[in-house]
Amino acid sequence: QSALTQPASVSGSPGQSITISCTGTSSDVGSYNLVSWYRKYPDKAPKVMIYEVSERPSGVSDRFSGSKSGNTASLTISGLQTEDEAEYYCGSYAGSSTLWVFGGGTKLTVL
Amino acid sequence: EVQLLQSGGGLGQPGGSLRLSCVASGFIFNNYAMSWVRQVPGKGLDWVSSVSGSGGSTYYKASVRDRFAISRDNSKNTLYLQMNSLRAEDTAVYYCAKDSRSPYSLNWFDSWGQGTLVTVSS
Repeated sequence: QSALTQPASVSGSPGQSITISCTGTSSDVGSYNLVSWYRKYPDKAPKVMIYEVSERPSGVSDRFSGSKSGNTASLTISGLQTEDEAEYYCGSYAGSSTLWVFGGGTKLTVL
Repeated sequence: EVQLLQSGGGLGQPGGSLRLSCVASGFIFNNYAMSWVRQVPGKGLDWVSSVSGSGGSTYYKASVRDRFAISRDNSKNTLYLQMNSLRAEDTAVYYCAKDSRSPYSLNWFDSWGQGTLVTVSS
């Protein structure tokens, strides 16, 4: 069982928006603004899409945005495109003992 | 351009050992913490271990703490994961990953290796 809880799957049609939630605890998501989101295609390495809750790395589309409220972080993808179909993982710094936790991943299907 | 090139892995016997390597280029290696993250087939990402930029501080998930050893050779720009007492549940694709900005802690992973499959089976 993963430390952070994500829905197993979400889906949307091209052009629509979807939001993926990531629920942790006051020891990880709730305590640090070090939530990041990773996109992973099958048999490929993950790629960071959002860092520090809501920051976008250079080169990542502004269709990707992140937010956090309490112990829950969220990734929103607007204007869905077929190439957005992938697995998405949240991750969070969890303090000096546990260090890092991931969510279980959410499979995004673009219908 | 940051590159992380992994090697090692393959088939290991239960109770046996394997060593993974990750050669880094394109950045000042000792300025960044490095980590190993794995993905069991059909499952999610799972943080395994991290090491500070100097190599002086190491961190492990509980289930591998007494079996795996992370290390780095900054003179060779290489990260290692020595995996001992292997178990079937260690079967996964292992990725090395670079921290975004700190030698001391984890912020987010901004670069990843290509992954290497470790299969533990008799």
